[in-house]
Amino acid sequence: EADIYQTPRYLVIGTGKKITLECSQTMGHDKMYWYQQDPGMELHLIHYSYGVNSTEKGDLSSESTVSRIRTEHFPLTLESARPSHTSQYLCASRWTSGYEQYFGPGTRLTVT
Amino acid sequence: AQSVTQPDIHITVSEGASLELRCNYSYGATPYLFWYVQSPGQGLQLLLKYFSGDTLVQGIKGFEAEFKRSQSSFNLRKPSVHWSDAAEYFCAVGSYGQNFVFGPGTRLSVLP
Repeated sequence: EADIYQTPRYLVIGTGKKITLECSQTMGHDKMYWYQQDPGMELHLIHYSYGVNSTEKGDLSSESTVSRIRTEHFPLTLESARPSHTSQYLCASRWTSGYEQYFGPGTRLTVT
Repeated sequence: AQSVTQPDIHITVSEGASLELRCNYSYGATPYLFWYVQSPGQGLQLLLKYFSGDTLVQGIKGFEAEFKRSQSSFNLRKPSVHWSDAAEYFCAVGSYGQNFVFGPGTRLSVLP
């Protein structure tokens, strides 16, 4: 069982603020992902990483950015939050040579 | 194009009744197939997976799924639903080294 952590779990911020959503995993997985999910809706891949210093944009255009300086850490940053960014953000990881993806508990972001 | 469809947006069953959630996919490569469950405000938990071999796979919480290549389907079943099974269920397809494609999800409600 993989352990993958996200902080904060809930965040309410004002428009224009810069925020960073944290994601860490302890299994040494090389691939990591960020998904955006509106309540009760499907998952949209917004960023992924094959490993350290590798980041790629996903299927859904996003104004966020990510970095992968350490294997275990894959933070997501919004430079200037807007109400349209209100959503749940899910982090996941897996081995490239593996099969299943493991998910963190999510961060529910509300921008007022 | 790779895609996953879950024809039922919302299903309601009575506690103790049987359940079948449908999943159809379109995928060019040999697919790996997954079912995930998501409780409100939580991340996704893997229920079961299929890679090869026996087309009927068993998962956690009493769930099973059957892969039917001729129908491009991977339907999830449970013989007797419990109130705690109320959640959102996502079907996903992937292959070696490739990003997952998730279906839109099916919301399950359970009547007492």
